[in-house]
Amino acid sequence: DTGVSQDPRHKITKRGQNVTFRCDPISEHNRLYWYRQTLGQGPEFLTYFQNEAQLEKSRLLSDRFSAERPKGSFSTLEIQRTEQGDSAMYLCASSSTSGWDNEQFFGPGTRLTVL
Amino acid sequence: DQQVKQNSPSLSVQEGRISILNCDYTNSMFDYFLWYKKYPAEGPTFLISISSIKDKNEDGRFTVFLNKSAKHLSLHIVPSQPGDSAVYFCAAISTGANNLFFGTGTRLTVIP
Repeated sequence: DTGVSQDPRHKITKRGQNVTFRCDPISEHNRLYWYRQTLGQGPEFLTYFQNEAQLEKSRLLSDRFSAERPKGSFSTLEIQRTEQGDSAMYLCASSSTSGWDNEQFFGPGTRLTVL
Repeated sequence: DQQVKQNSPSLSVQEGRISILNCDYTNSMFDYFLWYKKYPAEGPTFLISISSIKDKNEDGRFTVFLNKSAKHLSLHIVPSQPGDSAVYFCAAISTGANNLFFGTGTRLTVIP
């Protein structure tokens, strides 16, 4: 399967704990995006990488959130001191500069539940 | 501030009939629009897109219409099939921007 993959698919944690999610984009894609989707809403943009550079961050990305893409391939999203309001589906997407500029391919998501 | 709106949370259609899903946007800088389809426990899957230089784009059973003056687009599915039952998201983006703005989705149910 050459699509976007995310791990884990589900994560249950207690309030105050740290969690880390991983995203593996489509191999030839140099652009990577993180989105968050809460119940009844569409995905909301969090951050964007081109290769290893984090070029854009949403105001939704509080200082408890940090994302990395150290070698320009996979990416991690860490949430420190989780809060119940962090419960959501975290979606990763990737795209290529050589294809449709705006066609982003999404992974299956990581569903986070904070108790 | 919701810049992309899908005012119908759900739609039910008989198999074989036309499904029409609507989307409105407020930001006049948006110039590229996409429809994504989402099944439970999966991420959104790209379906069809349209650039603001066009007013119609067709791909098989799926057609997207864009009315720039009304800031409105619609997705037509003809004929509808039970496998089309899913949540459909409208998304928009501006040239040079990196983030898609999504609507809240419309749950389509196609009744056999």
